[in-house]
Amino acid sequence: QSVLTQPPSVSGAPGQRVTISCTGSSSNIGAGFDVHWYQQLPGTAPKVLIYGNNIRPSGVPDRFSGSKSGTSASLTITALQAEDEADYYCQSFDSSLSGSLFGGGTKLTVL
Amino acid sequence: EVQLVESGGGLLQPGGSLRLSCSASGFRFQYYWMTWVRQAPGKGLEWVANIKEDGSEKYYVDSVKGRFTISRDNAKNSLYLQMNGLRAEDTAVYYCARELGSNYRFDYWGQGALVTVSP
Repeated sequence: QSVLTQPPSVSGAPGQRVTISCTGSSSNIGAGFDVHWYQQLPGTAPKVLIYGNNIRPSGVPDRFSGSKSGTSASLTITALQAEDEADYYCQSFDSSLSGSLFGGGTKLTVL
Repeated sequence: EVQLVESGGGLLQPGGSLRLSCSASGFRFQYYWMTWVRQAPGKGLEWVANIKEDGSEKYYVDSVKGRFTISRDNAKNSLYLQMNGLRAEDTAVYYCARELGSNYRFDYWGQGALVTVSP
């Protein structure tokens, strides 16, 4: 089954660290396709946060980092700030779909 | 500056048709894959369709195959999504995005166009 599974929600206090997981399968992440992460603030279009598993576009703070191993990937945010409160999505290509796949999204709440 | 601007959204009845447009500027449009992604109200992102630089390859998510058609006009720097046989579950904000074929990431997004399908 071609899905990317993310936790629906995570939370943390300002200054803390949180990790969002993205679990796929052998037809997407496990097949070697890159994982990308997007941040979506309320009422706005998604924005690339991490691409190519662990690369930050210019302008993205180094508090954001990504990693990938096997059929899973993760996004880590350190030194949480109130402005990080948003929805986060992982995305990869799936060979059985011949198209892209998004995770279900994770809502980050900064307590 | 790269800009993508969608237009053509609206309120339709089930079974209706609509064509979305996406006007691109600030980059060489004919050299990039382009994609449509949608987001139902309060839900997550769903990839809908993409099209190769020259329009020779097109791919769709299963739920829209046979109903939606993606196309492009490189002379007009424009991307389109023709949507036929619309259903309530097609209600969503539709985003066009530039796709980097090297690793399938979407590096620039439009602001989105709302399509509402309701009796």
